Amino acid sequence: AQSVSQHNHHVILSEAASLELGCNYSYGGTVNLFWYVQYPGQHLQLLLKYFSGDPLVKGIKGFEAEFIKSKFSFNLRKPSVQWSDTAEYFCAVARSGAGSYQLTFGKGTKLSVIP
Amino acid sequence: EAGVAQSPRYKIIEKRQSVAFWCNPISGHATLYWYQQILGQGPKLLIQFQNNGVVDDSQLPKDRFSAERLKGVDSTLKIQPAKLEDSAVYLCASSLDDRIYTEAFFGQGTRLTVV
Repeated sequence: AQSVSQHNHHVILSEAASLELGCNYSYGGTVNLFWYVQYPGQHLQLLLKYFSGDPLVKGIKGFEAEFIKSKFSFNLRKPSVQWSDTAEYFCAVARSGAGSYQLTFGKGTKLSVIP
Repeated sequence: EAGVAQSPRYKIIEKRQSVAFWCNPISGHATLYWYQQILGQGPKLLIQFQNNGVVDDSQLPKDRFSAERLKGVDSTLKIQPAKLEDSAVYLCASSLDDRIYTEAFFGQGTRLTVV
């Protein structure tokens, strides 16, 4: 069965610190990769996505992620976090199966940014 | 563009009672998903529709959960009877077409508390 692993349950950073959240998946075929963010009291929103091409993808609000196929990883990064980045971050993998795509989420990483 | 609409936002019921949630996807989106998100975990897919047909319901507890998508637009998810472990946020999402994956857009969710 396909699984998505996020290594950190809760990350606490000071403003201006750099961020890297890990994500690994277990499926070996063609996948589409996503990072979603959920700000307190809001719905899940797409942060960035990778379908093909340049493995370094840039998303909204200064976030980027790098797809490393050999490591089955899709880590999220931001060089300098802000208090407004406090949220929960979910890595998700979509793969084709039986003619349709299925989207599987990791357990999420809660990010707390201290002013 | 209007987003995915869900109602109610919150629901508290006693165990063994029944409950229903409603979802209106983004106009023109053929694929509709229901996810269950238990506190501290990532969203877990319960059922996926393509138009009004079920694509995947392998993780839906069919002895107590049911879902329908009449006319391929709105959808309802029902739990009967509810158990304490059903306490979770129920998320509805939609995407253009799951055969050519783009991204899923999520609603605000319904927070269910079973007491």
